[in-house]
Amino acid sequence: DQQVKQNSPSLSVQEGRISILNCDYTNSMFDYFLWYKKYPAEGPTFLISISSIKDKNEDGRFTVFLNKSAKHLSLHIVPSQPGDSAVYFCAARPYYGGSQGNLIFGKGTKLSVKP
Amino acid sequence: EAGVAQSPRYKIIEKRQSVAFWCNPISGHATLYWYQQILGQGPKLLIQFQNNGVVDDSQLPKDRFSAERLKGVDSTLKIQPAKLEDSAVYLCASSRTGDSNYGYTFGSGTRLTVV
Repeated sequence: DQQVKQNSPSLSVQEGRISILNCDYTNSMFDYFLWYKKYPAEGPTFLISISSIKDKNEDGRFTVFLNKSAKHLSLHIVPSQPGDSAVYFCAARPYYGGSQGNLIFGKGTKLSVKP
Repeated sequence: EAGVAQSPRYKIIEKRQSVAFWCNPISGHATLYWYQQILGQGPKLLIQFQNNGVVDDSQLPKDRFSAERLKGVDSTLKIQPAKLEDSAVYLCASSRTGDSNYGYTFGSGTRLTVV
């Protein structure tokens, strides 16, 4: 039972254009959502997060949008750069009865930004 | 600040052999996590430590996997005996208080191949 879904295994974008990575979730008890970026042979690195009480969070070229009614979030990268080529993981944190749970990750989307 | 250190980087063993992985978290980080990432999947939590105590080991296959964090700093994860399906990257991560709002810091991982 996959609670966090990234339905696109890969995405290819031209340099300078917008990259949009999508993530869907099924659990209404998630209170925080995070995006991680992973280069080959390295561990995932934290990119940006958003609280479930917000609908947008921006950090430089990266913006995360949250649509709670649709249980959907997206990561926008504008403008995309070749160095953004990596696997992007969506993660969600459950919150049960006053306690934070551990992060649940999606399967990842491989982004390729072509010069 | 030094990152999360893991060793070895790669390990190839035969099925039914045993293997151990080592992790040194970021100094001052009380919470340590071991994740398993199978090819094409997102990271899956195996065990979470808070200082030297286990907080969550609900997804650890305890018949073959064990982990310890004796002095609340370094940690080791052991598999005995290994199965073919244990082939994966084993990621160690740490965080200051267990608060994942701003993400965990991951090490580069140990890639295990069981043949």
